[in-house]
Amino acid sequence: AQSVAQPEDQVNVAEGNPLTVKCTYSVSGNPYLFWYVQYPNRGLQFLLKYITGDNLVKGSYGFEAEFNKSQTSFHLKKPSALVSDSALYFCAVYTGTASKLTFGTGTRLQVTL
Amino acid sequence: NAGVTQTPKFRILKIGQSMTLQCTQDMNHNYMYWYRQDPGMGLKLIYYSVGAGITDKGEVPNGYNVSRSTTEDFPLRLELAAPSQTSVYFCASGVNEQYFGPGTRLTVT
Repeated sequence: AQSVAQPEDQVNVAEGNPLTVKCTYSVSGNPYLFWYVQYPNRGLQFLLKYITGDNLVKGSYGFEAEFNKSQTSFHLKKPSALVSDSALYFCAVYTGTASKLTFGTGTRLQVTL
Repeated sequence: NAGVTQTPKFRILKIGQSMTLQCTQDMNHNYMYWYRQDPGMGLKLIYYSVGAGITDKGEVPNGYNVSRSTTEDFPLRLELAAPSQTSVYFCASGVNEQYFGPGTRLTVT
């Protein structure tokens, strides 16, 4: 069975500071890894994905994520946070054998002035 | 492109009533999904479909039914609504990179 863990319910960061939202996963086989963002009263929006290749993937709105196979992690990062980045972030994993995404419980990012 | 559309946006049901949540996508995706989102619980997969005429259960299928007669549409049926079905429901389409609808907020009282 595949699973995803987001160990932090909430991350607080000041605007202009770097941010990290953590994600670890457990799968058998090669994972496809995703980050989604959800703004209030909206559906989830795709941010970025790792399928294969370079361990550092870049996505929308200046976000990036680093795939670390040995630590089974896929942390989301941004060099300089904006207040408008405040939202709920979900990590997800997909394997071909499961034919579906498994989501983490989400991390609320709060960026303050 | 409209992407994934869902109707209604909001609904209040009385216990025991039934309703259908509609979902339509215009991206010609074979894969479609229904999730429910409860506070602090992330998304739970209710049902999914890999193509017209093919559906399968997800993690939390009890109390729900689905059908998939066309590629575009994937309605979710709630029979005999219960307070435990109060949630926000999202439809999505796509294989691994999924596209989500805006959601339906359902309250059962």
